[in-house]
Amino acid sequence: GENVEQHPSTLSVQEGDSAVIKCTYSDSASNYFPWYKQELGKRPQLIIDIRSNVGEKKDQRIAVTLNKTAKHFSLHITETQPEDSAVYFCAASNGNTGNQFYFGTGTSLTVIP
Amino acid sequence: GAVVSQHPSRVICKSGTSVKIECRSLDFQATTMFWYRQFPKKSLMLMATSNEGSKATYEQGVEKDKFLINHASLTLSTLTVTSAHPEDSSFYICSAQGGLPEAFFGQGTRLTVV
Repeated sequence: GENVEQHPSTLSVQEGDSAVIKCTYSDSASNYFPWYKQELGKRPQLIIDIRSNVGEKKDQRIAVTLNKTAKHFSLHITETQPEDSAVYFCAASNGNTGNQFYFGTGTSLTVIP
Repeated sequence: GAVVSQHPSRVICKSGTSVKIECRSLDFQATTMFWYRQFPKKSLMLMATSNEGSKATYEQGVEKDKFLINHASLTLSTLTVTSAHPEDSSFYICSAQGGLPEAFFGQGTRLTVV
């Protein structure tokens, strides 16, 4: 089955700096890669996703890049703000409805004011 | 994004009793719902996948007779923790998926068994 690894497990950055979180996956059949943000005690929120037919997607301060050959994808947050502090999870799926998501172990991001 | 509502958000029950958790998709039809368990500072552990109108598929190590899942309609799935014990105390969270790969999470249920 699929195996998703996520690094780093914790990340601290100064406000205004950039944060990068990286994930790797093992199953070449995976073609849908969402990123979720989870604040303490709350639900994971889908913040951005990418499908395997594109290499990069951007939404304001958030971007995701995908390298299918190397089987890795990354989340980039620019101009970080304290409210970006949360746990971020990457996931991989084969994109078919009903097929499970394989989650990374999470990255706890702290943005220091 | 789509709205998924999960209730209750918190529940305390006595050991040996059963607890039902509901997960509803409010503005879309959820052909698939996933149930997860999350331990503090840990990732989401998939318990089972349920498709509307069919039996749930449980992950290895998850007792199907203890964690009863029903997905009777395209907008509602329920998880019943039967004969709950303190070790069942956890954060349970559902996610719902329609005809697209995106999945949206409910707000989670904090279960405490005393």
